[in-house]
Formats: sequence, C-alpha cells, structure tokens
Amino acid sequence: EDQVTQSPEALRLQEGESSSLNCSYTVSGLRGLFWYRQDPGKGPEFLFTLYSAGEEKEKERLKATLTKKESFLHITAPKPEDSATYLCAVGAQKLVFGQGTRLTINP
Amino acid sequence: DAGITQSPRYKITETGRQVTLMCHQTWSHSYMFWYRQDLGHGLRLIYYSAAADITDKGEVPDGYVVSRSKTENFPLTLESATRSQTSVYFCASRVGGGSEAFFGQGTRLTVV
Repeated sequence: EDQVTQSPEALRLQEGESSSLNCSYTVSGLRGLFWYRQDPGKGPEFLFTLYSAGEEKEKERLKATLTKKESFLHITAPKPEDSATYLCAVGAQKLVFGQGTRLTINP
Repeated sequence: DAGITQSPRYKITETGRQVTLMCHQTWSHSYMFWYRQDLGHGLRLIYYSAAADITDKGEVPDGYVVSRSKTENFPLTLESATRSQTSVYFCASRVGGGSEAFFGQGTRLTVV
C-alpha cells in the first residue's frame, strides 16, 4: 500500500533562511509525486508534479526534487508569505497524502 | 463558474441525523475524492471514484456513503452523524491516475 511520511512536522525559519522539507514515500509504481501548499481555512493548492528520479521543478523560491525513495522541497530565501502547510502525495488510483510540514517564516 | 465547488461551506448538525455534503466539478475529470482533515491526522481519504458509477473505499470509509451517478457530482452522505465525524471535509478531482488533483474550498462540519 502506498505510504507517505513527511518531516519535520513543523519548521520555523527566519526570513531569508533557506531550508528543505522531506517527503519519503513507498509505492508499488510511481505515477507522480505531488506537492501542495495549504493555507489556513483553505483547500490544498497544487504546486508541482515530479514523475521520475532526478527530475526537478522550480517556482519562485521553491524547488522540488525527486529520488527513488524521497522528495525534497527546497525553500530559498523564504519570505513571511511562504508560511503555510506543505503537503506531498502519491498514488495512481488513491491519492495518499503525508501529514504535512507546517512552515512558519518569521520576519 | 469553472472549477470544483463544495456546499455547504459550514454545517452544524445533531448526532444521529443524516447529512449530505455536495461536490461539483466543471472539468469532466474522471477521478473524484473525499478527504477529511483533522488536527494530527492530515488528509485522510474517505472514498474515491474513478468514473461515474465506480466508487471505492479509502482509509476511513466507515459511517460514510457515496454515489456518483453523474461525472460532475460526488456527494458524501453521513447516514447517522456522530461527534467523531466533526471535521473539515475536502473534495478533489483529477483528470486521470497520474495527474494532479484540484481541491474544493472545504466544508466545516460540526456534529453536536
């Protein structure tokens, strides 16, 4: 059965302090690893899809990377508006989510 | 409006009552999903559907019923609501098995 584990559960950074979030996964056959951002009181918002090991995607201060066992979401020089919960998910039929990383960027 | 919409946004119901949460998408996506989100548990899959008239259980299906007679609609029914079903419910849809899913704005359900 597909499983996703994210770490850390919560992360506090100062504005401009770069870091990475981890998403470890086990699937029978990867048909895409998905990253989402969720703001309080809202539904998850799609960020990236990664399909194969070595693939990278970028959007503003975010870069997602993928290996055969895990994915990283790198945040470079974050701003307070990057504060949110970041979720990753896998699954061709059922879409299974990790528990998320709650990211707080302090000004 | 194009997209995926849930209704109602907020609902308070009493224990034992039946309640239905609605989900409508305008993209003709094949897949639709229902999740519940609780503190400490993340997003947990309740039911999903790969096409009209095809549904399957997720991680936490007990106490819930779904149907999908039309591609665009995927209602979720709590047959006899319990306090443990107090949660935020999200509906989502995706084109196919390897594509990203898009979420509705959520329904906050309180069972008293």
